[in-house]
Amino acid sequence: NAGVTQTPKFQVLKTGQSMTLQCAQDMNHNSMYWYRQDPGMGLRLIYYSASEGTTDKGEVPNGYNVSRLNKREFSLRLESAAPSQTSVYFCASSVAGGTGELFFGEGSRLTVL
Amino acid sequence: AQRVTQPEKLLSVFKGAPVELKCNYSYSGSPELFWYVQYSRQRLQLLLRHISRESIKGFTADLNKGETSFHLKKPFAQEEDSAMYYCALTRDSNYQLIWGAGTKLIIKP
Repeated sequence: NAGVTQTPKFQVLKTGQSMTLQCAQDMNHNSMYWYRQDPGMGLRLIYYSASEGTTDKGEVPNGYNVSRLNKREFSLRLESAAPSQTSVYFCASSVAGGTGELFFGEGSRLTVL
Repeated sequence: AQRVTQPEKLLSVFKGAPVELKCNYSYSGSPELFWYVQYSRQRLQLLLRHISRESIKGFTADLNKGETSFHLKKPFAQEEDSAMYYCALTRDSNYQLIWGAGTKLIIKP
């Protein structure tokens, strides 16, 4: 099984450009998450989807939008990229929230010039 | 505010020596605590959670509510333990994990 797959792995954007990070999981998990990781900081939650059809803001949602396309897929969109959004982005999934184990993708390194 | 602090960015010990990775937290209720690990070229993965009271790969962690700590320990470090370790906490039924900044553990031969 692939687990959690996110694309692209690397992307360079110019300020103001838009892009979508794609995430898919094949574990039949209910919950999915988007995190960002910046140097010297822990992961910070951008958005999450507790179950298909729902999305909620996390700690740092500004500048991002998400779509839970179906149970498998959860995308993250940057409508107008800014240099402050340069980061490594991780998608994760879990059976449910709370104390459930998170399963992570490999990460996507985004640079905004 | 809820916070997880890992005071050491880097910890380097010799193979066979004991290892203790520190994790301190601030939270007013009863947190659920986790240790995640990322080995080189691998994905971030769960190592252990305090509610399971388990030992994984020789690592243990005890929740000390008095000191608000959840330190990760291993009596005899192995070279394959070299990795990034992250401590995290969440409230019951809450989808939002709060993460520490991580500690890079290097085991010297």
